Amino acid sequence: AQTVTQSQPEMSVQEAETVTLSCTYDTSESDYYLFWYKQPPSRQMILVIRQEAYKQQNATENRFSVNFQKAAKSFSLKISDSQLGDAAMYFCAYRGNNDMRFGAGTRLTVKP
Amino acid sequence: DGGITQSPKYLFRKEGQNVTLSCEQNLNHDAMYWYRQDPGQGLRLIYYSQIVNDFQKGDIAEGYSVSREKKESFPLTVTSAQKNPTAFYLCASSTPDRYSPLHFGNGTRLTVT
Repeated sequence: AQTVTQSQPEMSVQEAETVTLSCTYDTSESDYYLFWYKQPPSRQMILVIRQEAYKQQNATENRFSVNFQKAAKSFSLKISDSQLGDAAMYFCAYRGNNDMRFGAGTRLTVKP
Repeated sequence: DGGITQSPKYLFRKEGQNVTLSCEQNLNHDAMYWYRQDPGQGLRLIYYSQIVNDFQKGDIAEGYSVSREKKESFPLTVTSAQKNPTAFYLCASSTPDRYSPLHFGNGTRLTVT
C-alpha cells in the first residue's frame, strides 16, 4: 500500500518570509498525482496545488510551488511571501489507482 | 452551487449506540470517501465507493459500515464495535480519475461518552 510521510509536525515562519514543508511517499505505481491540501481552523479542506508524476516541471500556484523529485519520491511545498492567512494544517496526499492517501500533516504558524 | 453536505456538524452519543453520519453530494461524482481525522494522525481512510452499490474497506474499516444506494449519498454508520469512535469525520467525493482532487464536506465532530 502507498504511504505518505510528513516528518515535520510543526513549522513556523515569519510573515513575508519563505517556508518549505516536506513530504515523501512510497509507491510502486508509475502513474499518480500528488496534492497539497490546506486545513485552516475552520477544518475545511482546501486544495492548494496538484502535481502529475509524469510532468517534470514543478507546479506553481501564485505564492505556492512544489519541488517534485520523482526518483527520491519527494514532494515539498514552498510558500513564498508568507501571510497570516497561510496559518493552517497542511496535508500532502497521494492518488494512484484507487483511493487518496494523506500524510499526518504539518501545522504551520505564521508570526507577524 | 454544487457541493458536499455533511450533517450534523456536531453529534453526541452514548457508548453502545450506533450512529449514522450523513453525506450528500450534488457534484455528480461517482467516487465517494470517508476519512477519520485524529490529532497527529492526519486523515485515515475508512471506506470508499467508486460506483453505486459497491464499496471497499480502507485502512480502518473495523467498527464502521457504509451503504451506497444512490450516487448522491454515502452514509457512514459508526457501530458500537468501534472502540474509539470520538473523532472528526470527513466525507469527500471526486470523479474516478486519479488527476481529480477530492472535494470535501465540512465534517462532523462525533463525541461518544
